[in-house]
Amino acid sequence: KAGVTQTPRYLIKTRGQQVTLSCSPISGHRSVSWYQQTPGQGLQFLFEYFSETQRNKGNFPGRFSGRQFSNSRSEMNVSTLELGDSALYLCASGETGAVGGYTFGSGTRLTVV
Amino acid sequence: AQSVSQHNHHVILSEAASLELGCNYSYGGTVNLFWYVQYPGQHLQLLLKYFSGDPLVKGIKGFEAEFIKSKFSFNLRKPSVQWSDTAEYFCAVNPTSGTYKYIFGTGTRLKVLA
Repeated sequence: KAGVTQTPRYLIKTRGQQVTLSCSPISGHRSVSWYQQTPGQGLQFLFEYFSETQRNKGNFPGRFSGRQFSNSRSEMNVSTLELGDSALYLCASGETGAVGGYTFGSGTRLTVV
Repeated sequence: AQSVSQHNHHVILSEAASLELGCNYSYGGTVNLFWYVQYPGQHLQLLLKYFSGDPLVKGIKGFEAEFIKSKFSFNLRKPSVQWSDTAEYFCAVNPTSGTYKYIFGTGTRLKVLA
């Protein structure tokens, strides 16, 4: 079956702009989580959605937001981009959430210049 | 604060050598434990997981991990590594107290020499 699909794969944005990343989970998975991966901080939890409800949010500023649609697809948005937001953003989906194990996507590489 | 430590950042082994990667976490409550692997150019994949019961869990590709509650550890082992095991390995903890997130370790890069 198809895996977790993230689009776009690469993005270059300018400081101050905003960006929207998209994630299509595996069919039937209702939990979608987002993680930020950087060389310095590793994998950091952003937020988790289940059936359109945000169940958990990580320690990121309010510029980072997300949502999940009725078909389980999810988007995350970063407003007023800063250089430090450059990272690989990973989406993961699962049937129940973290406890069941996740399937990760290949990520969106965001570069802020 | 909750954290996960992987003390070995880089490990180089020859084929057929035994592997043990350390993972320690700091959290006082009950946790679920995971190891994920990222092969070069690929996405993160679940290697094995522990919820409860037998503290020795077996995963894919001959990997196993042992949960030692008293040491807050969940070390990954493989008796004989192969060149194809070259990858980055991440330990992850999911606190069970109503959270839906992983706390990841910083990862261990394993290189296996043919």
